[in-house]
Amino acid sequence: DSGVTQTPKHLITATGQRVTLRCSPRSGDLSVYWYQQSLDQGLQFLIQYYNGEERAKGNILERFSAQQFPDLHSELNLSSLELGDSALYFCASSAGGAGYMNTEAFFGQGTRLTVV
Amino acid sequence: AQSVAQPEDQVNVAEGNPLTVKCTYSVSGNPYLFWYVQYPNRGLQFLLKYITGDNLVKGSYGFEAEFNKSQTSFHLKKPSALVSDSALYFCAVRDKNTDKLIFGTGTRLQVFP
Repeated sequence: DSGVTQTPKHLITATGQRVTLRCSPRSGDLSVYWYQQSLDQGLQFLIQYYNGEERAKGNILERFSAQQFPDLHSELNLSSLELGDSALYFCASSAGGAGYMNTEAFFGQGTRLTVV
Repeated sequence: AQSVAQPEDQVNVAEGNPLTVKCTYSVSGNPYLFWYVQYPNRGLQFLLKYITGDNLVKGSYGFEAEFNKSQTSFHLKKPSALVSDSALYFCAVRDKNTDKLIFGTGTRLQVFP
């Protein structure tokens, strides 16, 4: 158990809908990262938050947004869903910050999103 | 820009033989390098990391990795492969500007009995 919790584990929804994926980081971790993994694809970095602030943005579509709350949990919102958005969405957390570059990130089990 | 490359999509090895999964990096300054493993329908699990010091890093499940600065490589190795090692392996480098992890494209390791 990595200590990173993602809910839900599975999500099936129709095109055009909106969903919210939730991530609770490991206790004490300030950085949260979101990644997308499509079928047989690598990990595409979406966005990172550090202590409530957006830290880095990757190839995240405008239809997607995220936030990190004061209790450090994070949510990824996906709207106007398309078939191509079907993927595994991973959240990871790490201690974060300049003094913790040598620490590894821990991943949740992922949310499998299927858009039909 | 910092990046890692995994030149092999798939590596096949017989059980009991040594295995190597390759990774090269492109980083300014000293790199922070990581290996992760992903089993089917699971999240990524941390295997090992190189930060500084000894070029041979030992990690979980009998894996080790060799850091080579002159060749800008960080290859994952195991002396004797197990069928249960079959999985998807990712190399990653820490982005020093944001601390996010930048992943390679992954290498599928298949160990045959």
